[in-house]
Amino acid sequence: QQQVKQSPQSLIVQKGGISIINCAYENTAFDYFPWYQQFPGKGPALLIAIRPDVSEKKEGRFTISFNKSAKQFSLHIMDSQPGDSATYFCAASRHSGYALNFGKGTSLLVTP
Amino acid sequence: EPEVTQTPSHQVTQMGQEVILRCVPISNHLYFYWYRQILGQKVEFLVSFYNNEISEKSEIFDDQFSVERPDGSNFTLKIRSTKLEDSAMYFCASVAGTNTGELFFGEGSRLTVL
Repeated sequence: QQQVKQSPQSLIVQKGGISIINCAYENTAFDYFPWYQQFPGKGPALLIAIRPDVSEKKEGRFTISFNKSAKQFSLHIMDSQPGDSATYFCAASRHSGYALNFGKGTSLLVTP
Repeated sequence: EPEVTQTPSHQVTQMGQEVILRCVPISNHLYFYWYRQILGQKVEFLVSFYNNEISEKSEIFDDQFSVERPDGSNFTLKIRSTKLEDSAMYFCASVAGTNTGELFFGEGSRLTVL
């Protein structure tokens, strides 16, 4: 049972464009939704996270949009840069300290 | 900046052998985790550990796996009799508390079972 579904699997965006990655979850008990960024050979690193009491959270060029009724959340990367090229994972858990359920990841390539 | 450190970075072993992967979580963190990532696939939760006992485990974490905090700094994952399908990157992670947000991951230990 896949608790968090992520799309697209891969994404190519031109420098300066907007990258959008979508996730959907099934378990209504989830209340913590982080996004992780992973570069090759490295562990996942927290990028930004949201709780369901807000519909949007912005940190610099990164924004999470959250739709509780649809059980969906998405990551928007504004003004995408080649340095943003990485794999992005959405995740969900019952609490920030509980086991994270990861999506399958999106490989983002930002072309110069 | 504090970090989670893992050793070894890469281990090659024969099927059926025992493997111990080691982790040093961030010093003031209280919750510890092991996740694994099979090449090209998603990160999967294995086990969480708090107050010297397992607090949660996944279906993957069967009797072949065990965890231990043998002293005040190390956190280990043991695989008793490795199988080919255990080949993966194993990530250790820690968090200060259940309501403090960021889970910090180590750089991983790549296990190759031949």
